Amino acid sequence: AQSVSQHNHHVILSEAASLELGCNYSYGGTVNLFWYVQYPGQHLQLLLKYFSGDPLVKGIKGFEAEFIKSKFSFNLRKPSVQWSDTAEYFCAVNIPYNQGGKLIFGQGTELSVKP
Amino acid sequence: DTGVSQDPRHKITKRGQNVTFRCDPISEHNRLYWYRQTLGQGPEFLTYFQNEAQLEKSRLLSDRFSAERPKGSFSTLEIQRTEQGDSAMYLCASSLEGDSVQFFGPGTRLTVL
Repeated sequence: AQSVSQHNHHVILSEAASLELGCNYSYGGTVNLFWYVQYPGQHLQLLLKYFSGDPLVKGIKGFEAEFIKSKFSFNLRKPSVQWSDTAEYFCAVNIPYNQGGKLIFGQGTELSVKP
Repeated sequence: DTGVSQDPRHKITKRGQNVTFRCDPISEHNRLYWYRQTLGQGPEFLTYFQNEAQLEKSRLLSDRFSAERPKGSFSTLEIQRTEQGDSAMYLCASSLEGDSVQFFGPGTRLTVL
């Protein structure tokens, strides 16, 4: 069965620090990849997605992610975090064209940014 | 706001009672998904509909759980004879067929005492 693993449960950074959140998935075929974010008290929102093409994808609020097929990874990065980036971040995959498009999520990484 | 809406936002019930949640998807979306999220975990897929047809159910969905989408618009998720282990956030999402991007609602937080 497909699975998604996020390396860190909780990351604490100071403002202006660089961020990298790890995500690995297990599936040998073609996947769609997503990062969702959940700000405190808000619902899950799409941060960025990768379907095909350039493996470096840019999302909202200065976030980007790189798909490395050989490593089954889709790590999220931001060069300089802000206090407002404090949130929980979820990596997710789905299998295109079958399985109804259900998303398989990682366990999430809670990011706390200190002002 | 024309996003996904869920009702109620919070539900507290006693063990053994039945509960029903409602989800209203984005109006033009024909796919609707239910997920469950417990503390410290990512959402887990429960079931999904394409229009009114329920096309997949997770093994997580025991016989006490039933979902409907009778007219291909809103959906309901019912849990019968609730157990303390059912306490979780129940999330609804919707998408267009052929588009993998899902839009999530705010969730219904269920607490079973």
